[in-house]
Amino acid sequence: QSVLTQPPSVSGAPGQRVTISCTGSSSNIGAGYDVHWYQQLPGTAPKLLISGNSNRPSGVPDRFSGSKSGTSASLAITGLQAEDEADYYCQSYDSSLKVVFGGGTKLTVL
Amino acid sequence: EVQLVQSGAEVKKPGESLKISCKGSGYSFTSYWIGWVRQMPGKGLEWMGIIYPGDSDTRYSPSFQGQVIISADKSISTAYLRWSSLKASDTAMYYCARHVGAVAATRVDYWGQGTLVTVSS
Repeated sequence: QSVLTQPPSVSGAPGQRVTISCTGSSSNIGAGYDVHWYQQLPGTAPKLLISGNSNRPSGVPDRFSGSKSGTSASLAITGLQAEDEADYYCQSYDSSLKVVFGGGTKLTVL
Repeated sequence: EVQLVQSGAEVKKPGESLKISCKGSGYSFTSYWIGWVRQMPGKGLEWMGIIYPGDSDTRYSPSFQGQVIISADKSISTAYLRWSSLKASDTAMYYCARHVGAVAATRVDYWGQGTLVTVSS
């Protein structure tokens, strides 16, 4: 069981907006540590999608956005496209466990 | 261009030892933490630990402390992950990962291509 909790799956139709939540606790997200998001396409290594809660690395479309509040964070994807179908992971720091990942969320584009 | 190139797939028997590698290029290898992430078949990402090649400072996840050893040879810009006695449950894809940012804000900006380790009798 992961320290950061994500829904196992989400889905949406092309063009729609979906959000993926990442719930932590007072020893990680709630302690003020940054949340980062990764996208893992099938059969490939993960790729950094959002850093420092809400910053997009160069090359990441602005359809992807991140936010953080209290002990939780969210990844939003607008204008859903077929190519967005992937696994998404949040990541933060935990004062006792060091770097921690969420359990991952599988996004299905209907 | 930053690149992390990992060693090839391995098939081992339980009880055997193994060391896999990750060679960095295109950046100052001694100036960034580099670590390892496990992904068991059909499962999520698990952070194992990191090393700072500049001074060999090493940090482990409590889940992996004592189970593996992370090391680095800065003269050849290569990080390693070693097991002394493999178990079937070590079967997984292992990614090396360059970390950026202060430790408490660290994230992975570059990933290796992955090394598949299969442990089976």
